[in-house]
Amino acid sequence: LAKTTQPISMDSYEGQEVNITCSHNNIATNDYITWYQQFPSQGPRFIIQGYKTKVTNEVASLFIPADRKSSTLSLPRVSLSDTAVYYCLVGDIGGYSTLTFGKGTMLLVSP
Amino acid sequence: EAGVAQSPRYKIIEKRQSVAFWCNPISGHATLYWYQQILGQGPKLLIQFQNNGVVDDSQLPKDRFSAERLKGVDSTLKIQPAKLEDSAVYLCASSLSGSSNQPQHFGDGTRLSIL
Repeated sequence: LAKTTQPISMDSYEGQEVNITCSHNNIATNDYITWYQQFPSQGPRFIIQGYKTKVTNEVASLFIPADRKSSTLSLPRVSLSDTAVYYCLVGDIGGYSTLTFGKGTMLLVSP
Repeated sequence: EAGVAQSPRYKIIEKRQSVAFWCNPISGHATLYWYQQILGQGPKLLIQFQNNGVVDDSQLPKDRFSAERLKGVDSTLKIQPAKLEDSAVYLCASSLSGSSNQPQHFGDGTRLSIL
């Protein structure tokens, strides 16, 4: 399983763009990159997933360079409600793969 | 679409007692997961079911933890006897299939406190 490394915490202000980078140096050919968000007292919630280049949805964008050894979750114009823990996971797209959660990145958005 | 339902929301027991948690996954989801989340850490997978068969239980402490998924739908996770270190949030998740490109949908968990 590819191991991921993320910053423990990040601070931002409302209205700013936030970029959280995840390192996964030993990512395998069949691995997908998935990001989850978790608020206090709730289960994690799927945000976005990608394999290469750029993926965008209504919530975030995911940038993956050609070597796929890292990925960046981009949150445009954050609000106070984006304060949460963000997890980066890497897993095989085939079979019954197990995703391993790290400690994630605690994002604190201030007014 | 109804989400993953878990009960109870909170449970307080004394050490050496037993406890059970219940999970109802999203309709049609073949894969069901139980995670343990200790305060300040990410969720740790305890067991993964594909329909009613176990796919991965390598991190389940089998001397005290057990889980079943009868008829491939609802699932229960049991701890007997409980230890102080079992204090955590127990999360249930489900997905259409077990592939990692299928998002997992989580319930809000059961917070277990051991006295």
